[in-house]
Amino acid sequence: DAGVIQSPRHEVTEMGQEVTLRCKPISGHDYLFWYRQTMMRGLELLIYFNNNVPIDDSGMPEDRFSAKMPNASFSTLKIQPSEPRDSAVYFCSSSKQGMETQYFGPGTRLLVL
Amino acid sequence: SQQGEEDPQALSIQEGENATMNCSYKTSINNLQWYRQNSGRGLVHLILIRSNEREKHSGRLRVTLDTSKKSSSLLITASRAADTASYFCAPLYNQGGKLIFGQGTELSVKP
Repeated sequence: DAGVIQSPRHEVTEMGQEVTLRCKPISGHDYLFWYRQTMMRGLELLIYFNNNVPIDDSGMPEDRFSAKMPNASFSTLKIQPSEPRDSAVYFCSSSKQGMETQYFGPGTRLLVL
Repeated sequence: SQQGEEDPQALSIQEGENATMNCSYKTSINNLQWYRQNSGRGLVHLILIRSNEREKHSGRLRVTLDTSKKSSSLLITASRAADTASYFCAPLYNQGGKLIFGQGTELSVKP
C-alpha cells in the first residue's frame, strides 16, 4: 500500500496568493483528517471527514481556510488569501475506524512570504 | 486545554539505556495513543491502549495506563540511535471524540 499521499511536499508563496494542498488517503479508509503543525501551537486538528462528509471543522482558523473531499480518494485544503502566519507543516491522515489508529502522510511544508 | 501533557519535554540518553516518557490528561478517555515523529516526517502510530487496559507491549515498547491518576507512560527498552524522534501522546476523550495531541517529548539517543 502506498500510504497517505500529499502534494506538494513543499510550497513557497507570497502573501495574498491562493494555496491548495492535496491529499490522497489510504484506499478503504473512510476517515480523513487535516492537521497543522507549528512550533508554537504544536499539532492542531483543523477538520475531519467521514465518508467524504465534513464532521468537525471547529479547528479551521478562519474563513480563509476551506476543505473539500469530492470523493473517497481525494481531499483538498485551500487557503485564500494566504498570510505569513499560515506558514506551517500541514499533515493529512486517514483511518479505517474513526479515532483509532491514524496513518499520516509526509506533510506539506508551507512558507508564506 | 485538553491535550495530553508529555513529560519531560526533552530527554537525552545513551544507546542501550531505557527511555521513559510520561503523559497526563484531563478527563475520562476512550483510549490513549502514542505516536512517533522523526524530524521532517509524518507521525507514525506506535500503540493504542484502551481505558480498560493497564499495560500493553509491542516489541521494545511498553505502555502503561493509570486511569485513577489520569496518566500514561511509554517505556522504550534498550534504546537505539534510530529511536531518536519526538514522541506524542494523544488521548481520545469520551467528550468531544477527537484525538488531542500534546507537545511531545523530544528523545535523543546518542550512539
